[in-house]
Amino acid sequence: GNSVTQMEGPVTLSEEAFLTINCTYTATGYPSLFWYVQYPGEGLQLLLKATKADDKGSNKGFEATYRKETTSFHLEKGSVQVSDSAVYFCALTALYSGGGADGLTFGKGTHLIIQP
Amino acid sequence: SAVISQKPSRDICQRGTSLTIQCQVDSQVTMMFWYRQQPGQSLTLIATANQGSEATYESGFVIDKFPISRPNLTFSTLTVSNMSPEDSSIYLCSVGVWGHTGELFFGEGSRLTVL
Repeated sequence: GNSVTQMEGPVTLSEEAFLTINCTYTATGYPSLFWYVQYPGEGLQLLLKATKADDKGSNKGFEATYRKETTSFHLEKGSVQVSDSAVYFCALTALYSGGGADGLTFGKGTHLIIQP
Repeated sequence: SAVISQKPSRDICQRGTSLTIQCQVDSQVTMMFWYRQQPGQSLTLIATANQGSEATYESGFVIDKFPISRPNLTFSTLTVSNMSPEDSSIYLCSVGVWGHTGELFFGEGSRLTVL
């Protein structure tokens, strides 16, 4: 079956530090990969996605590259802000050839804390 | 994208009772799913809500405990039956829109506390 493994937190960084949150996956076929973010007291939001190998997803200064050879999708940001403090989830799904998809499989989540 | 409304947003329930959570979407969607997020944990898929037919449940979840309805392309309900304190969780409705590439949009969730 599908599975996602991500580094568990909490991860505490100072403002303007470089961020990497590791994510690796196990899946049959060629899944689509996602990062979701959950800010304190808010719902789950899609942060970025990649649907095929070597694709780079990016949003709000965050980036992640779909690496098929290492089955990884690490999240990076060059300079984090206090407002980036949240829980980040790596996820994947398999698309059906005729349209539609399975539900997402999520990693355990990484709690990121950015200190001023 | 899609705007998803869930009711109730939170509730406190007594052991042995049942509660129905409603999910309303502002547009027709292809896929609807129900997830559970236990305190401090990740999201676990409960089932796929199929329009006009029985839901498809994941391993560890059964229809008697979590009956689901989806009468049309914009609405679904999840019932948590005969609740126990272990059912205290956030329950989330999520949808995939037409032509989507696998990403799901999530409601705000329904936070249930069972005493």
